[in-house]
Amino acid sequence: NAGVMQNPRHLVRRRGQEARLRCSPMKGHSHVYWYRQLPEEGLKFMVYLQKENIIDESGMPKERFSAEFPKEGPSILRIQQVVRGDSAAYFCASSPAQGRTEGYTFGSGTRLTVV
Amino acid sequence: DQQVKQNSPSLSVQEGRISILNCDYTNSMFDYFLWYKKYPAEGPTFLISISSIKDKNEDGRFTVFLNKSAKHLSLHIVPSQPGDSAVYFCAANGGASGTYKYIFGTGTRLKVLA
Repeated sequence: NAGVMQNPRHLVRRRGQEARLRCSPMKGHSHVYWYRQLPEEGLKFMVYLQKENIIDESGMPKERFSAEFPKEGPSILRIQQVVRGDSAAYFCASSPAQGRTEGYTFGSGTRLTVV
Repeated sequence: DQQVKQNSPSLSVQEGRISILNCDYTNSMFDYFLWYKKYPAEGPTFLISISSIKDKNEDGRFTVFLNKSAKHLSLHIVPSQPGDSAVYFCAANGGASGTYKYIFGTGTRLKVLA
């Protein structure tokens, strides 16, 4: 009964490289959410996806960031040409349906460090 | 624009005493509130929620109080235990943020002293 699985746990990238963060939702969950936590800040919503669809990407920076949740496989958050300001903890969460549940189930996060 | 504020970055409490964590919000359209607990190097874990139709919700040692007129909620932990030491985030949604997008506060680090 695995929870939300995120990998890698830690990712170091040089400025200008690409970062790919993966998220496998809980079994039976078809809704995935990505949040970012910058140092000393709260979690901020980035994007909400269902299988093969982006429902709300209002929290995603307009450039360099993209997300997908294909029919098969994990959800991917992709950051192209990373900059130091992208260094943060990225959390994925999942839920079985849209709307209020007792909160989401979060993964343990990927800590991205850009050097 | 910080719509959900946790003004105390940290709090220390003696084991067995009550911990009170506070949260203020500015958006009167928020109608659902949650508290999450987060240990280092882990994801946030859901703790307790409250809908705006209630002013109190209790679950074991944890109680959340909501004061809609003051736009304030608080989490009471009693008695506090060393294992409660963590960062606590309050989160809210409703209105323009819809039912799936949560607005988080910046967290309060609770330290329970043995």
